[in-house]
Amino acid sequence: DTEVTQTPKHLVMGMTNKKSLKCEQHMGHRAMYWYKQKAKKPPELMFVYSYEKLSINESVPSRFSPECPNSSLLNLHLHALQPEDSALYLCASSQVGRSGNTEAFFGQGTRLTVV
Amino acid sequence: QQQVKQSPQSLIVQKGGISIINCAYENTAFDYFPWYQQFPGKGPALLIAIRPDVSEKKEGRFTISFNKSAKQFSLHIMDSQPGDSATYFCAASMDYRDDKIIFGKGTRLHILP
Repeated sequence: DTEVTQTPKHLVMGMTNKKSLKCEQHMGHRAMYWYKQKAKKPPELMFVYSYEKLSINESVPSRFSPECPNSSLLNLHLHALQPEDSALYLCASSQVGRSGNTEAFFGQGTRLTVV
Repeated sequence: QQQVKQSPQSLIVQKGGISIINCAYENTAFDYFPWYQQFPGKGPALLIAIRPDVSEKKEGRFTISFNKSAKQFSLHIMDSQPGDSATYFCAASMDYRDDKIIFGKGTRLHILP
């Protein structure tokens, strides 16, 4: 199983809503990531979890709150978002340190629209 | 220092032709260079990757050429097919330091049938 599964695939939310994005992998990877991707742009790193601990936070606004409940799951809690936060949110996973010939596997993403 | 510069921004190639995408980096601490392929509405998928101790890596129609002294690497797609039409991102990371992947800005490739 080399899949990273993200739910939901699409999400429309108002600026006062609270919602969560979910990500799951069963490859035994201990590094998990959230990326944000705007149209025609590369993915931008938001957060990295390594062994269920937040290891990198790329100065993301507090309206985005990540959570890693266990080694297979990664959540991104959303609250009071702005229309400019509309984007494709990608989850990825890899082995920690990615030594050897390992790779980061990406999910299909959640297409988020903030209205 | 953390940037990966990618060119061209867009590329149109005839079916059967060779598609070439180039990338350059500054940080010599990078030691892993993957290429990702992304179709519209999908997440990026690893296409091929190389480490700086190798000058070339080939997998099927896809070849990475790596020039360590020039700090450049490129993707060649031989016998390009319409199904190769996608956005391609080169990337770089420091495997043993942290888990960041630094992406280039991407190349939108269109293969004419």
